[in-house]
Amino acid sequence: GAVVSQHPSWVICKSGTSVKIECRSLDFQATTMFWYRQFPKQSLMLMATSNEGSKATYEQGVEKDKFLINHASLTLSTLTVTSAHPEDSSFYICSAQGAAHSQETQYFGPGTRLLVL
Amino acid sequence: AQSVTQLDSQVPVFEEAPVELRCNYSSSVSVYLFWYVQYPNQGLQLLLKYLSGSTLVESINGFEAEFNKSQTSFHLRKPSVHISDTAEYFCAVSTNAGNNRKLIWGLGTSLAVNP
Repeated sequence: GAVVSQHPSWVICKSGTSVKIECRSLDFQATTMFWYRQFPKQSLMLMATSNEGSKATYEQGVEKDKFLINHASLTLSTLTVTSAHPEDSSFYICSAQGAAHSQETQYFGPGTRLLVL
Repeated sequence: AQSVTQLDSQVPVFEEAPVELRCNYSSSVSVYLFWYVQYPNQGLQLLLKYLSGSTLVESINGFEAEFNKSQTSFHLRKPSVHISDTAEYFCAVSTNAGNNRKLIWGLGTSLAVNP
């Protein structure tokens, strides 16, 4: 139980294009989803917290117009990197937290590696 | 505010040797404690967690961690490691209040198990 998927697992795009990453909770309803960014050999950096049906809460220093987050249902959240640039290249990881499935615990997706050329 | 310190950035160890990965935290309120493992090029997997009750928690693959409130520690141990345990290990804490329980992360410990 508590499986979270991400799609795509890998994406390469040209500078200036937008990229959408999906995060799905497969076997539970996720009232809260979190988006993280991880640089090589470093810990996770929380970007934003999203609750189903409401606007995401962004961490300080994260551009909300750059990283658009939508949490339209209890099983799906999307992160759109708009007008991507090479410095946006990174490993993006989502996690989900659900009231019915251990609301204290975040369950993580496998991550999406983004390379912007 | 909470903070997490993982005292060792890298821990090299030989196969079948015991290992301890150290984690200390600071918090003015009660916390939940977690260990996550990240294998190369993968997402994070929950290894074990302490929410309440018995201070010694175990995972299915032989790891255990003990919550020590007086020392504000949650060290991870395994009596005999395998090559397959080579991974990055992250300690994290969250408060036990509110609905959005953000995790505060340590910087990670890279466990390298050598034959």
